[in-house]
Parts: sequence; structure tokens; C-alpha cells
Amino acid sequence: GQQVMQIPQYQHVQEGEDFTTYCNSSTTLSNIQWYKQRPGGHPVFLIQLVKSGEVKKQKRLTFQFGEAKKNSSLHITATQTTDVGTYFCAGLLSGTYKYIFGTGTRLKVLA
Amino acid sequence: DAGVIQSPRHEVTEMGQEVTLRCKPISGHDYLFWYRQTMMRGLELLIYFNNNVPIDDSGMPEDRFSAKMPNASFSTLKIQPSEPRDSAVYFCASSPILLTGSSYEQYFGPGTRLTVT
Repeated sequence: GQQVMQIPQYQHVQEGEDFTTYCNSSTTLSNIQWYKQRPGGHPVFLIQLVKSGEVKKQKRLTFQFGEAKKNSSLHITATQTTDVGTYFCAGLLSGTYKYIFGTGTRLKVLA
Repeated sequence: DAGVIQSPRHEVTEMGQEVTLRCKPISGHDYLFWYRQTMMRGLELLIYFNNNVPIDDSGMPEDRFSAKMPNASFSTLKIQPSEPRDSAVYFCASSPILLTGSSYEQYFGPGTRLTVT
């Protein structure tokens, strides 16, 4: 079946360091979304990427969609303790409204 | 808007009992999704509805699971009989649809933490 893998599974960084999580799909995606889930909370939508090679920025966060629309990345510059949580990518399968969530990357930021 | 509402927030039940989880989507949203989250399997899509009609239930684990959406403001996920391996956090999410047909962000409810002993 369709799979969306994320690496790394866990990441501990010192506050102020950068962080990147990578998302890889076994199939081409129509678009990709990114969500953040705080410990004990629910996933919260961050952004959606649709076009091949698209890059979007939200303050310290940079999102990229690969040229082949099979991979994506999220980069956080100068992490803060408020960035703690698990980051999920979710790929939309072509012709459906079915999103396959990635395995997630859990980020811990040490003050 | 209150967002997506789920009840109960926590449920502890014994193996073999029937469990019903409830969801009220955001008013005006056309799509409703049920997800299950566990440490081992991550976030899995169980089923989704469009305008109250089930579109894809291929993620429903087995016949013990059933979901309904009798109207635009209410959905249930039922497990009968429940088993310990059903222990998980169950999320409901809803999504509007653009006139252009583009996909849209999903708004998740707070989840129901189910423990089956």
C-alpha cells in the first residue's frame, strides 16, 4: 500500500539550532500538507504545498515540495522551546480526498 | 466557532463491550474523517465521508468497526465488541471544500482516548 515515511523519527536540538524533517512517499502525490501536534494535543494544520518544486515560508519555518512530488521537507531555523512537538506530513493521493500521514518526527528543544 | 467537538474525551471499557465515539464537525464542512493514532502505527485514516456519504472505508480494521453520519452535524464510530488492541486515540477531523475542488486543511478535534482492558 501507499506509504509516507519521515526521517528522523526523533530529534533533540539545543535551542537556537536548526532542525529539518524529511518526508518521502512511495507514490506521486497531488499535494502535501504539514501538521504539528503538541504533546497531548491534536494535529494542527501548518501549510499546504501543491506545485512541483514549491517553496513556502512561515517566519522561521520553510517548507519545500520536491520536483517529482514524492518528497517534502520542513526546515526550522533557530528553534525555540515553543517548537516542541511532532511534525507530520500528509500526502494527498491522486483522485481522492484521502490523506496518508507520515510517520512523524518528534522534536525536542533543550533550553 | 467551537471547532470540531468529540465525546467522550476519555473512555475506559472492558474487552467485549460496545464503544461509541461521537463527533460534531465544524458547521459548513463537507468532509469528515476518522483517524486512529497509536505509537506503533501512527496516524491512520479509518474512513471519510463527503456530504454524509461514506466514500472510503478501506482503513476500517475489521467488521467490529462501523461508522455512520446520519446528518451533516453528527457522526459516530462504533466498536463492537471492543478488544485491548483497539486502545488508541481516535480523532475526528472535518474539512471544507473550495469551489475549485482543491483540497483543504483538516481541522482536528481534541480526540477520544480509548482504553480497553
